[in-house]
Amino acid sequence: DAKTTQPPSMDCAEGRAANLPCNHSTISGNEYVYWYRQIHSQGPQYIIHGLKNNETNEMASLIITEDRKSSTLILPHATLRDTAVYYCIASNTDKLIFGTGTRLQVFP
Amino acid sequence: GAVVSQHPSWVICKSGTSVKIECRSLDFQATTMFWYRQFPKQSLMLMATSNEGSKATYEQGVEKDKFLINHASLTLSTLTVTSAHPEDSSFYICSSGGDTSTDNEQFFGPGTRLTVL
Repeated sequence: DAKTTQPPSMDCAEGRAANLPCNHSTISGNEYVYWYRQIHSQGPQYIIHGLKNNETNEMASLIITEDRKSSTLILPHATLRDTAVYYCIASNTDKLIFGTGTRLQVFP
Repeated sequence: GAVVSQHPSWVICKSGTSVKIECRSLDFQATTMFWYRQFPKQSLMLMATSNEGSKATYEQGVEKDKFLINHASLTLSTLTVTSAHPEDSSFYICSSGGDTSTDNEQFFGPGTRLTVL
């Protein structure tokens, strides 16, 4: 799996968009970019994934740069319940290796 | 999405005893499950891959004789922490891909918090 780099922490005001960056400069052509989040003392929750194209679902949007060396997870209207650690993972297998993630704090 | 459960959700045991943690896929059959361990304020660390009907594959540095994994059916994998010691106190989490997942999406259990006294 390619190594990913994320900022350790970010803050976001409730109702605003949260943009979480991830660098994966060594990603290979068949590795997907996955985003999971972990709310305190719970198991991780799948958010979204993509290969080359931008993706959107009911939870978030994923923007992948054309060279695939970085991506951004967008939570369009952050709520207090979105406070969690967000993990960006690059992988081409079902085995996920977690990095340190970004601790997102949404404040009122 | 697929549902994965774990039992127990928390357990406290004395040093030297063994503890079994169950991971169940509730609405799908799982030929492969993964076990992770998470220490406070740290990320998840993959311990092993549990394969139905065959031996588990352990990550480097994980003692297979201490962390026994059994995956005897398509809906159940168990992790037994043998001769537990305080340093084994951690949050143990399992995951599986589900039979309808695409592109290797994983579904995680709620975790089991183990405290060894």
